[in-house]
Amino acid sequence: NAGVTQTPKFRVLKTGQSMTLLCAQDMNHEYMYWYRQDPGMGLRLIHYSVGEGTTAKGEVPDGYNVSRLKKQNFLLGLESAAPSQTSVYFCASSPREGGTPVAKNIQYFGAGTRLSVL
Amino acid sequence: KQEVTQIPAALSVPEGENLVLNCSFTDSAIYNLQWFRQDPGKGLTSLLLIQSSQREQTSGRLNASLDKSSGRSTLYIAASQPGDSATYLCAVVAGYSSASKIIFGSGTRLSIRP
Repeated sequence: NAGVTQTPKFRVLKTGQSMTLLCAQDMNHEYMYWYRQDPGMGLRLIHYSVGEGTTAKGEVPDGYNVSRLKKQNFLLGLESAAPSQTSVYFCASSPREGGTPVAKNIQYFGAGTRLSVL
Repeated sequence: KQEVTQIPAALSVPEGENLVLNCSFTDSAIYNLQWFRQDPGKGLTSLLLIQSSQREQTSGRLNASLDKSSGRSTLYIAASQPGDSATYLCAVVAGYSSASKIIFGSGTRLSIRP
């Protein structure tokens, strides 16, 4: 059971380049999330998904797009990278169905992707 | 707009002490509150989750409390150990819907001195 897996772990981009970050979970969770973490600012929600085929905007969605074509995968895309998108990106998932109210709402995180945009 | 604050930003205590980490939020209409631990260069690990109808949750040496009326939560760590050194973040799910957005505090960096 791998949990939440993020690829790649590190990436350096030039301004204007595009890339896709992949998040995969093998726990059959309904909800998935993409966050970015910047020094002194905690984690901020970029986009989230409440199920296969659905996505919604979070706190800082501009400059990012997402897709959830399969339940186990949640992709984060940067169409034209900017230096302001240099950050550590975390993916998370939560069950949201079954179990106790506490158990189904716990979020499980991946190890993160460190992205630098030059 | 929901805001989550954690003070202090950093805390250093000697091994064996009991300690309390604080988290405050501006809007009491929350669905749940969760405490996480983050080790340097790693992802987040969930420690405790408190539903809005609950007052506290316990796991081993950890106890988290929730007071919605005052907009506060505390994480109590008993008999601290060097292995407890990490950054601790709290996060609230705003609103009453399970699809509501989650807001994180900026964390407290805890250092336990041997």
